[in-house]
Amino acid sequence: GENVEQHPSTLSVQEGDSAVIKCTYSDSASNYFPWYKQELGKRPQLIIDIRSNVGEKKDQRIAVTLNKTAKHFSLHITETQPEDSAVYFCAARDGGYQKVTFGTGTKLQVIP
Amino acid sequence: DTEVTQTPKHLVMGMTNKKSLKCEQHMGHRAMYWYKQKAKKPPELMFVYSYEKLSINESVPSRFSPECPNSSLLNLHLHALQPEDSALYLCASSQARQGAYEQYFGPGTRLTVT
Repeated sequence: GENVEQHPSTLSVQEGDSAVIKCTYSDSASNYFPWYKQELGKRPQLIIDIRSNVGEKKDQRIAVTLNKTAKHFSLHITETQPEDSAVYFCAARDGGYQKVTFGTGTKLQVIP
Repeated sequence: DTEVTQTPKHLVMGMTNKKSLKCEQHMGHRAMYWYKQKAKKPPELMFVYSYEKLSINESVPSRFSPECPNSSLLNLHLHALQPEDSALYLCASSQARQGAYEQYFGPGTRLTVT
């Protein structure tokens, strides 16, 4: 089955700096890669996603890049704000089924 | 309506009890999911229903019994649970057609087994 690794497990940045979270996946058939933000005690919220036929996607301060050959994808947050503090999960969806496998999570702390 | 709702928000049950978790969506999604999330861990897939039929069971113990009575509702029946089953249970939904992969999560039910 799919295995998704995520690094780092914790990340502290100063407000206004950039944050980068990296994930690798094992199943070359995976074709959809969402990123979720989960605040304490709340549901995971989809913040951005990318499909396997796209190399990069941007939405305001958030961008995701995908390298299919190397089987890794990354989340980039620019101009971080305290409200960006949360746990971020990457995930990969297998190509033939509806199974989504999550990475282990990154706790991001933005220091004002 | 772009929301997935779950009831109850919190549930405390003994190991001999029978209880049910409920999930509802009115987005016309035909794929629905149950996830289990332990503290400081990622969500783990338990079950997937596609067009009201069970399509994925991730080897979940039989003390968890899912049910999809119609396209808007998803239940998880609980019986003879163990304390290690205490967790946040998340429901999610998505469209079932190819290419429509976005999953929308409900707020979860926080379950405590005593």
